[in-house]
Amino acid sequence: DTEVTQTPKHLVMGMTNKKSLKCEQHMGHRAMYWYKQKAKKPPELMFVYSYEKLSINESVPSRFSPECPNSSLLNLHLHALQPEDSALYLCASSQVGAGSYNEQFFGPGTRLTVL
Amino acid sequence: QKEVEQNSGPLSVPEGAIASLNCTYSDRVSQSFFWYRQYSGKSPELIMSIYSNGDKEDGRFTAQLNKASQYVSLLIRDSQPSDSATYLCAVKNAGNNRKLIWGLGTSLAVNP
Repeated sequence: DTEVTQTPKHLVMGMTNKKSLKCEQHMGHRAMYWYKQKAKKPPELMFVYSYEKLSINESVPSRFSPECPNSSLLNLHLHALQPEDSALYLCASSQVGAGSYNEQFFGPGTRLTVL
Repeated sequence: QKEVEQNSGPLSVPEGAIASLNCTYSDRVSQSFFWYRQYSGKSPELIMSIYSNGDKEDGRFTAQLNKASQYVSLLIRDSQPSDSATYLCAVKNAGNNRKLIWGLGTSLAVNP
């Protein structure tokens, strides 16, 4: 069983829709990440939360809005997306603090298609 | 520009052979090194982490790190068809940020 879960597994949305991706981790980690991955490319970092505060935003367009309600949950709110935003969206988590080496553990991902 | 480079492959090995995957990195102060396995359509799975020079073994997997030469490798012994996947090398640099620098991945095919 994966300890990082993501819902939904698949999402199809139109360019005018609003939807949300959800991630939950049961590893006691205090850093959580959103990545976007296109076919045959490595994951591309979007956002990092550390202790529930946004610490990195990789200049992501405002149509993607992250939220970290608590240390176990991470959401990604989507609005007015473009077809080129279609990709696999990955959530990951890691430990923080002294002695942590930033091993990141990924959830299964949400396959997003924007029509 | 900090970079991580891998041969894209495909690397093809017969079942039972040793598969050797290599990764070089440009930032000399890099401190943590990771190998992820990714099956087609699935998410990356962390299979090895290494932080000190030398070898680290876990089952059929051995990671090797040489900081002086700035390379990290992954050996898979007794390769199985189920090992066929893309292997991603990721490197964390020194500093407090949590960013990983990723290679483009090496595609491995293990032939029965």
